[in-house]
Amino acid sequence: EAQVTQNPRYLITVTGKKLTVTCSQNMNHEYMSWYRQDPGLGLRQIYYSMNVEVTDKGDVPEGYKVSRKEKRNFPLILESPSPNQTSLYFCASSVTGPNQPQHFGDGTRLSIL
Amino acid sequence: AQKITQTQPGMFVQEKEAVTLDCTYDTSDPSYGLFWYKQPSSGEMIFLIYQGSYDQQNATEGRYSLNFQKARKSANLVISASQLGDSAMYFCAMRGYNQGGKLIFGQGTELSVKP
Repeated sequence: EAQVTQNPRYLITVTGKKLTVTCSQNMNHEYMSWYRQDPGLGLRQIYYSMNVEVTDKGDVPEGYKVSRKEKRNFPLILESPSPNQTSLYFCASSVTGPNQPQHFGDGTRLSIL
Repeated sequence: AQKITQTQPGMFVQEKEAVTLDCTYDTSDPSYGLFWYKQPSSGEMIFLIYQGSYDQQNATEGRYSLNFQKARKSANLVISASQLGDSAMYFCAMRGYNQGGKLIFGQGTELSVKP
């Protein structure tokens, strides 16, 4: 089954404790992206990757890191999480191009105390 | 700048009736795609339907159709024969040629289907 898999689905952690949210897709997509969804602010892009070893900042990259060492994986790293990073996070992937729909993972709910 | 506007924060529809969710957009990109996503209360984002800026015909996908009016910059979602399971948040989104591939989302419309 074609899918984007995020882990964990839920995480409660404390300020400053490094964490990684994994994302993997099995559709051989070149493009991958991370979004966060917050009430009143909607969905905003954090980072994206056009292909292996090619990553770039989205609209809200501060406090996050990403890497793309393999085509299928695009982990999101919070080196020193803070409470303002409490949010619902989505990983998405697609074929490159404006006419291609992005397919989303099921989301990761992060709470940082 | 690219922008998506959904002016209906919430809507109600009777089961089995049709409903239209509004979406207008603004972009300077010559080529772009318009998408609708459904987000049920469980939180996942489900892709519903897509319309390309150069497509001559309106997209359809089962009970979903997209009423695309390029001159008016609108891309309304029509759901026919509403079902209780259609109750969810619906997002209109746009992806442009020159925007690094990101999706620009509207604020969403919460649809409630009444039995």
